[in-house]
Amino acid sequence: GQQVMQIPQYQHVQEGEDFTTYCNSSTTLSNIQWYKQRPGGHPVFLIQLVKSGEVKKQKRLTFQFGEAKKNSSLHITATQTTDVGTYFCGCSNDYKLSFGAGTTVTVRA
Amino acid sequence: KAGVTQTPRYLIKTRGQQVTLSCSPISGHRSVSWYQQTPGQGLQFLFEYFSETQRNKGNFPGRFSGRQFSNSRSEMNVSTLELGDSALYLCASSLTDRTYEQYFGPGTRLTVT
Repeated sequence: GQQVMQIPQYQHVQEGEDFTTYCNSSTTLSNIQWYKQRPGGHPVFLIQLVKSGEVKKQKRLTFQFGEAKKNSSLHITATQTTDVGTYFCGCSNDYKLSFGAGTTVTVRA
Repeated sequence: KAGVTQTPRYLIKTRGQQVTLSCSPISGHRSVSWYQQTPGQGLQFLFEYFSETQRNKGNFPGRFSGRQFSNSRSEMNVSTLELGDSALYLCASSLTDRTYEQYFGPGTRLTVT
């Protein structure tokens, strides 16, 4: 079956710094989605990537889909305390969705 | 539009009991998926329903079951509860079974003692 790995599992970031989290699939994907879950909250849809090599930006967040459609990255610039939470990738293949274990981000002020 | 609602929000049960959780999707959404979230296992897919039919199922024992009603509302049932069933159960809705964008509810926190 489809295996999804997210790295790193934990990311401790100094406020103002940049960081990147990665999502890797064992199979070629139809699309990939990213979600954010704040502590004590539920996952919230951020974005969906469909095309090979696609890059999308949301303010300080940059999402990229790999050329082979087997991996994706989320890059956050100038991290703020509001970025705290767990970021999940949701990988879709043949209408089945699998989530990575998430990258939990903490921010040092 | 109102978001996905789940009831109850918190539940405490003892081993061997059964539990039913309810989910109301966003108005107009016809697909409902259920996930189990635990600290060690992340988000684990339970099942997906569309038009009252189960379309996909995850790797969970038969004690976990679900159904969807004609108004797209969904319920999941866990019978013969085990301590390991303690988790946050999340329901997510999407427009159709061919739409990947998931909108999650706040979840039901189940504690089994």
